[in-house]
Amino acid sequence: QVQLVESGGGVVQPGKSLRLSCAASGFKFDNYGMHWVRQAPGKGLEWLAYISYDGSEKSQADPVTGRFSIFRDNAKDTLYLQMNSLTTEDTGFYYCAKVSGYSSPFRDWGQGVLVTVSP
Amino acid sequence: EIVLTQSPGTLSLSVGDRATLSCRASETIGSSFLAWYQQTPGQAPRLLIYAASSRATGIPDRFSGSGSGTDFTLSISRLEPEDFAVYYCQQYDRSPMYTFGQGTKLEIK
Repeated sequence: QVQLVESGGGVVQPGKSLRLSCAASGFKFDNYGMHWVRQAPGKGLEWLAYISYDGSEKSQADPVTGRFSIFRDNAKDTLYLQMNSLTTEDTGFYYCAKVSGYSSPFRDWGQGVLVTVSP
Repeated sequence: EIVLTQSPGTLSLSVGDRATLSCRASETIGSSFLAWYQQTPGQAPRLLIYAASSRATGIPDRFSGSGSGTDFTLSISRLEPEDFAVYYCQQYDRSPMYTFGQGTKLEIK
């Protein structure tokens, strides 16, 4: 069955960088678009970024444009989120999610990884 | 950007009650590209409803969705203890910039 496993989280100082990974299995990774969603502690869900199945199309939410970048390695069945110039506002759980098409709900989610930005 | 506003923020009900949760969009959502998710503490969100009214695989029939245009509703006919959670609506019409509502917390009265 579909498995999405995030990793790479941890504690980082403001201004530093972090790269999250999302390892996919149980499906043909290079056939599906992928998203990143985050959730600040005690807050709601915030869509962050999307990448098409082949990496040719990308889109990001305004709060992270210019600081975060989404990319994928289909040979490794892995999705990434490169996060630069982190601030305390970036603290939270980060989830990757798989979609079956361009306008599709998020049927499959990873378990999430915690990023804490703290001085 | 489509803004989704959920109400109420918190809903206090008892096991066996009927729950009605609302999601209002700032613009018309085409083709009813509206989904509902359930999130319990420490867990990832789970898809309940897509296309406004279609239940996802494995979702009990006490969950139902309705609505179109800018007004959507999630109903839970007879609340079970495991239904007390936070519920989010999401639009996936303006792809790929999907947005979520702020959530409704369903708590035990």
